[in-house]
Amino acid sequence: DFEMTQSPSTLSASLGDRVTITCRASQSISNWLAWYQQKPGKAPKVLIYKASTLDGGVPSRFSGSGSGTEFTLTISSLQPDDFATYYCQQYHSYSPWAFGQGTKVEIK
Amino acid sequence: EVQLLESGGGLVQPGGSLRLSCAGSRFTFSSYAMTWVRQTPGKGLEWVSAISGNGGNTYYSDSVKGRFSISRDNSRNTLYLQMNRLRVEDTALYYCAKQDDSGWYRDWGQGTLVTVSS
Repeated sequence: DFEMTQSPSTLSASLGDRVTITCRASQSISNWLAWYQQKPGKAPKVLIYKASTLDGGVPSRFSGSGSGTEFTLTISSLQPDDFATYYCQQYHSYSPWAFGQGTKVEIK
Repeated sequence: EVQLLESGGGLVQPGGSLRLSCAGSRFTFSSYAMTWVRQTPGKGLEWVSAISGNGGNTYYSDSVKGRFSISRDNSRNTLYLQMNRLRVEDTALYYCAKQDDSGWYRDWGQGTLVTVSS
C-alpha cells in the first residue's frame, strides 16, 4: 500500500508568512498528487491537482511542486482565510488512494 | 453546479448494518467514478471505497474490505455504500465525492454521520 506522510502535523504562522507543507509518498507516484484545504464543519476543497495545477478560483498564492515521492504545498503570503487543515492525496493507484494525515495551520 | 447529497447515516449497534446513499445531480452521473471518504471526528480523511462509472470496477480499503459494498444505480443517479458488521471504529462522517480526471475530487457532499455504539 502507498503511505503518505505529511509534515509538520501542526504549523504556527503569522499573517504574511511564507508557509511550506511537505508530503512524502512511500513509493513513487509520479505527479499524481492533489492538495486539499479543509475548514471545520466543511467538506475538503481541492486546491491543486497533478502536483502543481491550481484548480479554478484558487488564489495564486497557493502553489504545488514535486514529483516521484516528495511534494510541497506553498502559501506565499498567509492570509486570514488560509488558517485551516491541509491534506495531500495520492491517486497513482488504487492501493488504496491514500490521504496524508493532515497539517493544521494555526495563528501564531 | 454539481450537487451531491448523502443520506442514511445514524446510530447503529456494533455488528449491525447501514446503507448510505448519495444522490448526484447537475452532471452526467454515469460518466464519473464515485468515491466514499470518511472522517473520524477530529481526525483525518480516510479513503474508503470507489466505483467506476459503469459500476464494473470496485475498490476498497483494507479496513472495510469484506464488510462494505459499494454500488450505484445510474438510472437514479445514486451511489450506495452497504455497511455490514459495523465496528465502533467505523464511526465517522461519510462523504461521497465525484472523481475528476484520474482520481482527485473537486465535488464533495456535505457528509452523513455514522455512529456505531452500544
